[in-house]
Amino acid sequence: EAAVTQSPRNKVTVTGGNVTLSCRQTNSHNYMYWYRQDTGHGLRLIHYSYGAGNLQIGDVPDGYKATRTTQEDFFLLLELASPSQTSLYFCASSDVGSQNTLYFGAGTRLSVL
Amino acid sequence: QQKVQQSPESLIVPEGGMASLNCTSSDRNVDYFWWYRQHSGKSPKMLMSIFSNGEKEEGRFTVHLNKASLHTSLHIRDSQPSDSALYLCAASTPSGSWQLIFGSGTQLTVMP
Repeated sequence: EAAVTQSPRNKVTVTGGNVTLSCRQTNSHNYMYWYRQDTGHGLRLIHYSYGAGNLQIGDVPDGYKATRTTQEDFFLLLELASPSQTSLYFCASSDVGSQNTLYFGAGTRLSVL
Repeated sequence: QQKVQQSPESLIVPEGGMASLNCTSSDRNVDYFWWYRQHSGKSPKMLMSIFSNGEKEEGRFTVHLNKASLHTSLHIRDSQPSDSALYLCAASTPSGSWQLIFGSGTQLTVMP
């Protein structure tokens, strides 16, 4: 099964702080995604990428930057964290060969105080 | 307004019973649906997908799709306590096939 690893698993920061969430996939998938999950909202797409150096905007991009440095690595950056960004963040990968099935990492729980 | 709407928000069924979950898209361009299952404290995992009218069965799980009404349903027969989870419906369009839109989910509890 596809392997997607996220770090850290938990993170606490203060309002205005700088946070980087990391994601690595080892399945040679072209597509990688960042979602946030909040009660009552399901999963909402923040950013996604179809290859190194590429970035596409999702449905809730405000306050987030992302960077895909290699095929394996996708980072989510919060440069001025706000309490509204307290959430559970999931990274996922997919590809044509997997019929666009998303393979999710274990998630990062972020608290912004 | 969410483009993918699920009902009910929560559902309780007895062990051995039938669970029926619904999902509708308000985007007429949607052509593909997925069902994901997320156990408490875990990440979502794909359960089934469907893009043709009709039904698809895998073990105790059956998915129906009516493309005219953009409605899909997931039915779980002989429900087990291990089926207790959040069930998420997702949809995509041909122009945004790599961009899945998720509903807010149905929380299923199977009572022993």
